[in-house]
Amino acid sequence: EAQVTQNPRYLITVTGKKLTVTCSQNMNHEYMSWYRQDPGLGLRQIYYSMNVEVTDKGDVPEGYKVSRKEKRNFPLILESPSPNQTSLYFCASSPGTGETQYFGPGTRLLVL
Amino acid sequence: AQSVTQLDSQVPVFEEAPVELRCNYSSSVSVYLFWYVQYPNQGLQLLLKYLSGSTLVKGINGFEAEFNKSQTSFHLRKPSVHISDTAEYFCAVSEGDYKLSFGAGTTVTVRA
Repeated sequence: EAQVTQNPRYLITVTGKKLTVTCSQNMNHEYMSWYRQDPGLGLRQIYYSMNVEVTDKGDVPEGYKVSRKEKRNFPLILESPSPNQTSLYFCASSPGTGETQYFGPGTRLLVL
Repeated sequence: AQSVTQLDSQVPVFEEAPVELRCNYSSSVSVYLFWYVQYPNQGLQLLLKYLSGSTLVKGINGFEAEFNKSQTSFHLRKPSVHISDTAEYFCAVSEGDYKLSFGAGTTVTVRA
């Protein structure tokens, strides 16, 4: 089944404790992206990747890092999480620009 | 840079009544336009998209949208809603690169 998977689905952590949210897709898509969803703000793009080893900042990259060492994986790294990063995070992939983005199920993060 | 405004944050509607969700965008170049739906506790899935050609776009589940370049709008419509259409709907725009901007979302609540 074609899908985007994220782990973990739920995470509670404390300020400053490094964490990684994994994202994997099995559709051989070149493009992957991370979004955060906050009430009243919709989805905002954090980082995106056009291909292996090619990444760029979205609208809200501060406090986040990403890497794309393999085509199928695009982990999101929070090196020193803060409470304002409490949010619902979505990973997405697509074959290219103008194409449908396929979203993962989301990761709900709470930073205390 | 592009931006998206969804004019209604909440739309209550009775079952079998029509619904229209309004979306306006701003951009200085040609755009791709999308509508995504998010059912409770799920990720987003594509309803429909406009890339070029006919300005009336038909999507899944009986939804359609009309692209109006002069008014920079991309309103979503359904002639008769069902209880199962209760969800949050997001309009999104891309300028053909890898950045995708979402509106704040419209919550549709369908009542019997």
